[in-house]
Amino acid sequence: ETGVTQSPTHLIKTRGQQVTLRCSSQSGHNTVSWYQQALGQGPQFIFQYYREEENGRGNFPPRFSGLQFPNYSSELNVNALELDDSALYLCASSPRDSNSPLHFGNGTRLTVT
Amino acid sequence: QKEVEQNSGPLSVPEGAIASLNCTYSDRGSQSFFWYRQYSGKSPELIMFIYSNGDKEDGRFTAQLNKASQYVSLLIRDSQPSDSATYLCAAELSGGGADGLTFGKGTHLIIQP
Repeated sequence: ETGVTQSPTHLIKTRGQQVTLRCSSQSGHNTVSWYQQALGQGPQFIFQYYREEENGRGNFPPRFSGLQFPNYSSELNVNALELDDSALYLCASSPRDSNSPLHFGNGTRLTVT
Repeated sequence: QKEVEQNSGPLSVPEGAIASLNCTYSDRGSQSFFWYRQYSGKSPELIMFIYSNGDKEDGRFTAQLNKASQYVSLLIRDSQPSDSATYLCAAELSGGGADGLTFGKGTHLIIQP
């Protein structure tokens, strides 16, 4: 059984650009959550997707958006990148109808210069 | 404002001793609690979760929850150098994950050989 996979592993972008990060959920998991972890901080909840719709959102501006596809994979899009967007972006998948704890993928390290 | 507080450390413990990590949370509605281990440059790895008051043991790890005091702890028995990492405590308001997990900033644990 494969776990959560994220791509790319590392990414360098310039301030003002746009970025798309990708996540493939674990087999059988229909819910995907995204988190941002800045250096020295705990992860912060960005949003969750279920059945291709945003199901919950943390305190992030609208320039953070996402998609979930019929195969439950997901994308995180960030527009108008700012220096403070530099962070480790984590994706986790879970079955919707259970209290299964989250298991994270390996993350994407985004650096904005 | 939901908050999870942890002592950032570093917490230094001799090899073979018991490491005790503590966490408090502000939202009394929190139902589920999680401990993640994070090695430098890696994504968080789930090591324990607890939903009910009391103790929950898994190998060398014991999670303790006291909802009246809004306190969660993690004990690591027979500490090994490989346990050296940052330990993240997280709380979830309700099952299903739509509210996301609220993480503390983590405690840096150092096991001294």
